[in-house]
Amino acid sequence: DIVMTQSPDSLAVSLGERATINCKSSQSVFYRSNNKNYLAWYQQKPGQPPNLLFYWASTRESGVPDRFSGSGSGTDFTLTISSLQAEDVAVYYCQQYYSPPWTFGQGTKVEIK
Amino acid sequence: QVQLQESGPGLVKPSETLSLTCDVSDYSISSGYYWGWIRQPPGKGLEWIGSIYHSGNTYYNPSLKSRVTVSIDKSKNQFSLKLSSVTAADTAVYYCARHEKPSGSLIPYYFDSWGPGTLVTVSS
Repeated sequence: DIVMTQSPDSLAVSLGERATINCKSSQSVFYRSNNKNYLAWYQQKPGQPPNLLFYWASTRESGVPDRFSGSGSGTDFTLTISSLQAEDVAVYYCQQYYSPPWTFGQGTKVEIK
Repeated sequence: QVQLQESGPGLVKPSETLSLTCDVSDYSISSGYYWGWIRQPPGKGLEWIGSIYHSGNTYYNPSLKSRVTVSIDKSKNQFSLKLSSVTAADTAVYYCARHEKPSGSLIPYYFDSWGPGTLVTVSS
């Protein structure tokens, strides 16, 4: 199984400041044949199901604000919130879809400082 | 916009079988996606359980495979989960989700629509 490890487990950021979440996979999730990274990011607000933010590591899902960005390749990926808003308080998960079983990171909780 | 809704008992006794159904609306379950189950123990992370295609092809998490069956009913536009021999460790919120499978791909990828989830508690 591909193990996904996120860091930090939680972070507190002031409103308007940058939040950065890291995700590392135990093996590369990059396919050379199509030049794509098989990685997704989700946001889960309290009491709600996860919501897809990004796929292919950096392709933003429709409706996701552009203050969110995804980057990285191979085994190291980053989700960045450029200017944290109150509604961004949530737990964020990465997920690999390079090979089954599909696995998620343990989650990173983002709070307001 | 596809809608998914989980249903089933909220309380299951240890050693019994957990059974849940996911009703899909505003989208035909036969139209080319996989359909999956994911669970989340209280206060913990996400664990993929299994996914099914309209053809009946399934993928299961090896950690649960011996106890899991996912089935599909195209006439009712729904799919189901059965998890046998449950213990307290199976207490979780269970989500059903649409598991994106682009044309040309052999396997599904990410989960692009989720149900609201249903809490299942295993307790006597």
